[in-house]
Amino acid sequence: ETGVTQSPTHLIKTRGQQVTLRCSSQSGHNTVSWYQQALGQGPQFIFQYYREEENGRGNFPPRFSGLQFPNYSSELNVNALELDDSALYLCASSFEPTGSGANVLTFGAGSRLTVL
Amino acid sequence: GQNIDQPTEMTATEGAIVQINCTYQTSGFNGLFWYQQHAGEAPTFLSYNVLDGLEEKGRFSSFLSRSKGYSYLLLKELQMKDSASYLCAVRSPGGNKLTFGTGTQLKVEL
Repeated sequence: ETGVTQSPTHLIKTRGQQVTLRCSSQSGHNTVSWYQQALGQGPQFIFQYYREEENGRGNFPPRFSGLQFPNYSSELNVNALELDDSALYLCASSFEPTGSGANVLTFGAGSRLTVL
Repeated sequence: GQNIDQPTEMTATEGAIVQINCTYQTSGFNGLFWYQQHAGEAPTFLSYNVLDGLEEKGRFSSFLSRSKGYSYLLLKELQMKDSASYLCAVRSPGGNKLTFGTGTQLKVEL
């Protein structure tokens, strides 16, 4: 089975720009979550998508937004980039029969964003 | 709110046993996870506890005490490849949000 794949693996942006990060979920998974991991820190929950709708959100401003597509892949969009947005962005997928959170998350290797 | 504490760094010797502790204070609890993360790689699932007690999985075991807000990950017969960051995470009820600790960087030496 194919795991979680993310693109791009690395990218550099400047303050004020916008970025889109992409994620293909593991085969058979229907739920996607996004996490931000700053250097030396644990991942922080941004939001989760189930059945193409946001199904939970962490403490991130509205300039962090996302989409889930019918094939369960997902995008994370960040507008008006700030220096503190520099981090590893991790996508994780799982199969959730009801969206209530029953199963183990499988993570991708992440997209490393540097904001200059 | 959620607060999860684990040591920042640990060092152990190849072949030895190491225990990584995690304490948590959370507003809700629906399971505790341990993940391993090598530098530049995806976190990979190691173990899951939702009831009190010990879960054993090969060289790795994890223990949970919900009344004490405490878990540990036990690694036996350490190998050099076990050098990695070990992340403790608590899942909130009603969804699949994980709240992670900062991770424990384990260094295995000869």
